[in-house]
Amino acid sequence: DAGVTQSPTHLIKTRGQQVTLRCSPKSGHDTVSWYQQALGQGPQFIFQYYEEEERQRGNFPDRFSGHQFPNYSSELNVNALLLGDSALYLCASRGHTDTQYFGPGTRLTVL
Amino acid sequence: KQEVTQIPAALSVPEGENLVLNCSFTDSAIYNLQWFRQDPGKGLTSLLLIQSSQREQTSGRLNASLDKSSGRSTLYIAASQPGDSATYLCAVCVTSYDKVIFGPGTSLSVIP
Repeated sequence: DAGVTQSPTHLIKTRGQQVTLRCSPKSGHDTVSWYQQALGQGPQFIFQYYEEEERQRGNFPDRFSGHQFPNYSSELNVNALLLGDSALYLCASRGHTDTQYFGPGTRLTVL
Repeated sequence: KQEVTQIPAALSVPEGENLVLNCSFTDSAIYNLQWFRQDPGKGLTSLLLIQSSQREQTSGRLNASLDKSSGRSTLYIAASQPGDSATYLCAVCVTSYDKVIFGPGTSLSVIP
């Protein structure tokens, strides 16, 4: 079992650009959540996808959008990047239990 | 608005000591509470999950307690080892839809 995988591992972008991050959930999991973790802080909930629909959303602007595919994998898109978007982006998946399993994250640097 | 705090922010102990990490939350209407471990630059590993109806959970040298009425949880680590060095995060789930509020974490260093 590969667990939750994320790509890419690291990414460098400039202000104003757009970025797409990808997540493959753990085998058998159908729910994917995305988090943003700034340096030295706890992760902040961005949104959750279930059955290809956004089910919950945290306090993030519309520049942050996502998608879930029929195979339960997910993408996080961020438009018009700001310096403050530099962070570790974490994906978590779960199945029919409440335990979330996290991926290793994508480190995004915005210059 | 649910807020989660953790004390202390950092902790350094000699190997073999027992230790307690603290987590506080402002709204007792939670669905569950989880403790996670995070190694530098890495993702999170779930350690223990306590449902809102439970008082504690144990796994090996780890024991987590939950007191909803006082808005507190503790993570007890017995006989600490250098491999326990990491950041420990407390997270409160406020709905069954995984809207999770994390604390800032406690950075633990176990000195050999």
